[in-house]
Formats: sequence, C-alpha cells, structure tokens
Amino acid sequence: GAGVSQSPRYKVAKRGQDVALRCDPISGHVSLFWYQQALGQGPEFLTYFQNEAQLDKSGLPSDRFFAERPEGSVSTLKIQRTQQEDSAVYLCASSPGIYEKLFFGSGTQLSVL
Amino acid sequence: DQQVKQNSPSLSVQEGRISILNCDYTNSMFDYFLWYKKYPAEGPTFLISISSIKDKNEDGRFTVFLNKSAKHLSLHIVPSQPGDSAVYFCAARRIGSGNTGKLIFGQGTTLQVKP
Repeated sequence: GAGVSQSPRYKVAKRGQDVALRCDPISGHVSLFWYQQALGQGPEFLTYFQNEAQLDKSGLPSDRFFAERPEGSVSTLKIQRTQQEDSAVYLCASSPGIYEKLFFGSGTQLSVL
Repeated sequence: DQQVKQNSPSLSVQEGRISILNCDYTNSMFDYFLWYKKYPAEGPTFLISISSIKDKNEDGRFTVFLNKSAKHLSLHIVPSQPGDSAVYFCAARRIGSGNTGKLIFGQGTTLQVKP
C-alpha cells in the first residue's frame, strides 16, 4: 500500500474487555514499531519488530499488552482486560531498515470506559 | 525520566516571521535527532534530521541546529506559513550495536502561524 495502515481508526471498549489493534506496514519494510500517545504527550515506545522477531518489548507497560508479527508483515497489538489508563492513541510505524526514518500510520484511538 | 524535553507547549507566530522550536535532551548517548510534524487525526511525518557529527542541517525553509555541549537543538522555520500550523515533535535515538533504532520523543510543541 501507499502508507502504513491501521485499523480500527477508533475503538471504544468497556473496562475489562480485550482489544486487538492491527497495523499494515509499508510493503517490504523490515522494521515495525508500536507507540502509545497519551493526550497532550509525545509518542512513547512500546515494542519493536525486525521482520517477525520481537527484539525489544521494554516499553510494554504490563503483561496485559502483547504484540505479534508472525509473518513479518502485518502486526497486531493486543490489550487484555483493558483499563481506563490504557486510553490513548496507538501508533504503528515502519521503516525500510534499522536506522532509517519511520513512517507512521494515523493511529487507533482507544477509549476505555 | 523524560530524556527528550520540549518545554514550550505552544508557540504563536505571524505569517512570514521566523518560528523557533526548542528541544533539550539529557542522554549524552543520543547521536541522531529528528523533527516530526503532526496534523490532527494524522500520524507524525518526518520533517528533518541531524547527526551528532553536525551542528546544522538545512532543507528549504527548515533548519535544525544542534548544540551538543548544551544538549540542545532547535528547529527554525523561515518564513513561517499558515500551513506550518501543527504539533512538532523532537525525537532522538542511539545508533550502535544492540540498538533497535527506536525513537524517544519529546512532548511536542503546538505551532500556530497566524495569517
């Protein structure tokens, strides 16, 4: 595709529900990042994939957060038993290599009620 | 621990004038710095970058200055245009063995350019 695609664009969940957020990176991009952006803040790193390998998950805030990229392209960020503090915009970014500029998707805005 | 700081949440500038956005960092291991621009309901888009071996990089109306001794960088936009109105994020990363290239972002500065 032309850019990084994320779905859904908006997600409303009741507290305790599980959610799954999808990211379609630019075709052929090796690196894929997930970021969390709270209101009025900058994006905060969650996790990084190089192809299908998850090389860095140091930013995941708790074991309720899980990410995968099984075939080295599409990635899913799953949040189990959502809490109100999980409300944020979740951004996915991809890049052709390791130290190249990141291309961001428009994000998924998650609201937990 | 905020490693990249943008201490001005907002900035308002008249069209045609210079906009100066500032960024400070604390980690001396950062060796590459980037500015991203974000419009509402869109993801951040890359604007300009600078390596730590340089002190200035210019691209059209945009210039980034790096002062390593002060751990400070700034983005200059000259002349400012109404279409430049957006949130600007400063970001930094380490290049080297074992690093993933992840970016550490500042909190952002909202720039408003008035016609």
